[in-house]
Amino acid sequence: QQQVKQSPQSLIVQKGGISIINCAYENTAFDYFPWYQQFPGKGPALLIAIRPDVSEKKEGRFTISFNKSAKQFSLHIMDSQPGDSATYFCAASNYGQNFVFGPGTRLSVLP
Amino acid sequence: DAGITQSPRHKVTETGTPVTLRCHQTENHRYMYWYRQDPGHGLRLIHYSYGVKDTDKGEVSDGYSVSRSKTEDFLLTLESATSSQTSVYFCAISEGQGNEKLFFGSGTQLSVL
Repeated sequence: QQQVKQSPQSLIVQKGGISIINCAYENTAFDYFPWYQQFPGKGPALLIAIRPDVSEKKEGRFTISFNKSAKQFSLHIMDSQPGDSATYFCAASNYGQNFVFGPGTRLSVLP
Repeated sequence: DAGITQSPRHKVTETGTPVTLRCHQTENHRYMYWYRQDPGHGLRLIHYSYGVKDTDKGEVSDGYSVSRSKTEDFLLTLESATSSQTSVYFCAISEGQGNEKLFFGSGTQLSVL
């Protein structure tokens, strides 16, 4: 029940395209859903996050879509750039504790 | 990396030896976490601390112990390292109590031969 599933495992997108990564969770007690971006040799860094009381949150080219009834959320990267090439992790937590992470998606944006 | 220092950055050790990894923070955050990162598994929680001398187990705590004697320091100890503990270890911190932002250190690459 604590698991967070993430797909796809890897994604290749052309520059300017839209990258979409999907996650699903089981535990309805989760109330915070962040996305992390990780570059090689670095620690994950918070990219964008959402709470279940809203269905969408946008920050620049990054958008989270949240479907509470389906227990799913997704990250959309608009106008993808080569600099976006990284590994992306979705996560879920309950009141800021017990963060559970998805297995990650390796995104490659081709120039 | 949000005032988080992990040491060492890289370590190679032999099976059966004890290993201690250190995480030091300058943010005065209450919560500190140790995660391990392995291909296909994402980040898995080993142990976490919610205050000085207050710790709890995570998903993959077997073979690991932790200690937190000061707010700023969180130590992870492998009592007798095994090859299955070869991994990248990340320390993370958060204020907790409604402020959920989780900040990560740069990681420690540990190889157990």
